[in-house]
Amino acid sequence: DADVTQTPRNRITKTGKRIMLECSQTKGHDRMYWYRQDPGLGLRLIYYSFDVKDINKGEISDGYSVSRQAQAKFSLSLESAIPNQTALYFCATSGGPGQGDQPQHFGDGTRLSIL
Amino acid sequence: GDSVTQMEGPVTLSEEAFLTINCTYTATGYPSLFWYVQYPGEGLQLLLKATKADDKGSNKGFEATYRKETTSFHLEKGSVQVSDSAVYFCALSDGGATNKLIFGTGTLLAVQP
Repeated sequence: DADVTQTPRNRITKTGKRIMLECSQTKGHDRMYWYRQDPGLGLRLIYYSFDVKDINKGEISDGYSVSRQAQAKFSLSLESAIPNQTALYFCATSGGPGQGDQPQHFGDGTRLSIL
Repeated sequence: GDSVTQMEGPVTLSEEAFLTINCTYTATGYPSLFWYVQYPGEGLQLLLKATKADDKGSNKGFEATYRKETTSFHLEKGSVQVSDSAVYFCALSDGGATNKLIFGTGTLLAVQP
């Protein structure tokens, strides 16, 4: 089984719909992250969380919200989807407070298309 | 703010050719540096890392050396294979409490038989 699991893997929906992307991990890491990937832009951070009570905005949080339901679960929501949110979304985890060399571990991504 | 710049692709090579993908960074502190690889349809996998100046990260025949004087972390491989075809991302972590990663835009490598 994958250490970081994202569901769904693919989703097509319409403008204005509410969408939730889910991420669960079995690595026991405290830190979880949501990124979006766009062609030519690399990965950009949307939100990150250090634990259930600690949620922080990344560089592109507008139009998104998150929920950390448990140490192992971190969901990303689009309250009212718009076409420019069409992208590949990745969840990642890492461990080690203050340890900058701790690599992040990524899920396989959710491909989201908004029509 | 901190940033990462990597060469644009696509990079197209024949099998057994030498590979270099350039990566330079801007950072105010002492970042850790990473190369991630993304195979088609998959997430990002850590390829190698270096945590301080002059460190060399290596894995699967790939190498990169942390050069503080030139703020670079270029990825190299002496003989590429078709199976190396993927998108390669250079990234840095500021080493602070957040452990956030800042990514370059990615470089697509296509290796032809």
